[in-house]
Amino acid sequence: QKEVEQNSGPLSVPEGAIASLNCTYSDRGSQSFFWYRQYSGKSPELIMSIYSNGDKEDGRFTAQLNKASQYVSLLIRDSQPSDSATYLCAVNSSKTSYDKVIFGPGTSLSVIP
Amino acid sequence: DTGVSQNPRHKITKRGQNVTFRCDPISEHNRLYWYRQTLGQGPEFLTYFQNEAQLEKSRLLSDRFSAERPKGSFSTLEIQRTEQGDSAMYLCASSFNHPSGGAYETQYFGPGTRLLVL
Repeated sequence: QKEVEQNSGPLSVPEGAIASLNCTYSDRGSQSFFWYRQYSGKSPELIMSIYSNGDKEDGRFTAQLNKASQYVSLLIRDSQPSDSATYLCAVNSSKTSYDKVIFGPGTSLSVIP
Repeated sequence: DTGVSQNPRHKITKRGQNVTFRCDPISEHNRLYWYRQTLGQGPEFLTYFQNEAQLEKSRLLSDRFSAERPKGSFSTLEIQRTEQGDSAMYLCASSFNHPSGGAYETQYFGPGTRLLVL
């Protein structure tokens, strides 16, 4: 089982709709969860971090965490064409002496005008 | 502070040559990470430092790869005897690891160095 899994997509949604991106992880000891956005040819940029079960909202973005199910998601409301990018889920690893972050393969999102 | 910087941004080299990349982290960050990313994949962990100490190196990393962070500030990643399979984007990220533990660190990425081995 891969440490962090995401649907590769592409996920296509119409402009103005809600985009839902999902991520599962294998390490039950993980405590920190991150969503990064990466435009083609660019480096990842942090969108949100979440550490506790439940929802965390920031503007049009909502991160949801369920540690019991080892599941984290990102919702994008009122999707815009500028949201078209690859979204990377990242999870801290507790399996080494020092924490590090493991990235998933990313989900490609396309918002259709 | 202008964020994480990397140089060069692009590098084209011939197979068998050595290349060196540099990363300057955000000044107050004590952790520095190197990743490799190929098309359609997420960043793949290579190695990371806390201050000048190299804490972990991926077992996927061959002996041709070496990284240093001599003074706990900038870092270099060297690839010796490059192969075509080394062609990728090499990303550097930095973070601040709180003394109480690493559970809340956020990594900030540089623009990356795109390597093409001919």
